[in-house]
Amino acid sequence: SQQGEEDPQALSIQEGENATMNCSYKTSINNLQWYRQNSGRGLVHLILIRSNEREKHSGRLRVTLDTSKKSSSLLITASRAADTASYFCATDAGDSNYKLTFGKGTLLTVNP
Amino acid sequence: GAGVSQSPSNKVTEKGKDVELRCDPISGHTALYWYRQSLGQGLEFLIYFQGNSAPDKSGLPSDRFSAERTGGSVSTLTIQRTQQEDSAVYLCASSLVLGSRETQYFGPGTRLLVL
Repeated sequence: SQQGEEDPQALSIQEGENATMNCSYKTSINNLQWYRQNSGRGLVHLILIRSNEREKHSGRLRVTLDTSKKSSSLLITASRAADTASYFCATDAGDSNYKLTFGKGTLLTVNP
Repeated sequence: GAGVSQSPSNKVTEKGKDVELRCDPISGHTALYWYRQSLGQGLEFLIYFQGNSAPDKSGLPSDRFSAERTGGSVSTLTIQRTQQEDSAVYLCASSLVLGSRETQYFGPGTRLLVL
């Protein structure tokens, strides 16, 4: 079964609005990463948050991590049409320092 | 510098044929990963390399799948006697060193269709 699962599966918003995607996982982790995928091709790394961190920012991105709830959220503020993509969270299992397990992703559509 | 490249970008083959997928990682990256992504699904981890060594082959779906890496650089993923369920996008990624803290840089993928 998936270590990380994103919610919602799909999200459609208007340009300028904020988009929030959630990721839940099952076992303890060392790190959690968020990636973006355009058009079913290669993934692009967005941000990494470590298990001892609660929040990180990068430009218009804000990631939170709640290890007690085994969940993370990705917030994209002031969304743009170019943000349209699938977003995946990737987690390691606590006993693995190399293997990332990806969820099925959230398909975000930002309408102009 | 150049990113991760993969070839071919698309491959159509007949059931039962063998296919070879190639990955050129970023120069200097010691770790290399193969994933498979079926339509509308997440990424399924297949195998990783640290240098030329692949210590964990348990992610490969069956013994028809094999992978090798030579010279700490190029890697090939071979699928023998392809089946229709092998149809997917095969993604390769590399990172500077091995570790879940490392950013993985992905190639554009090879889209495999088995007829």
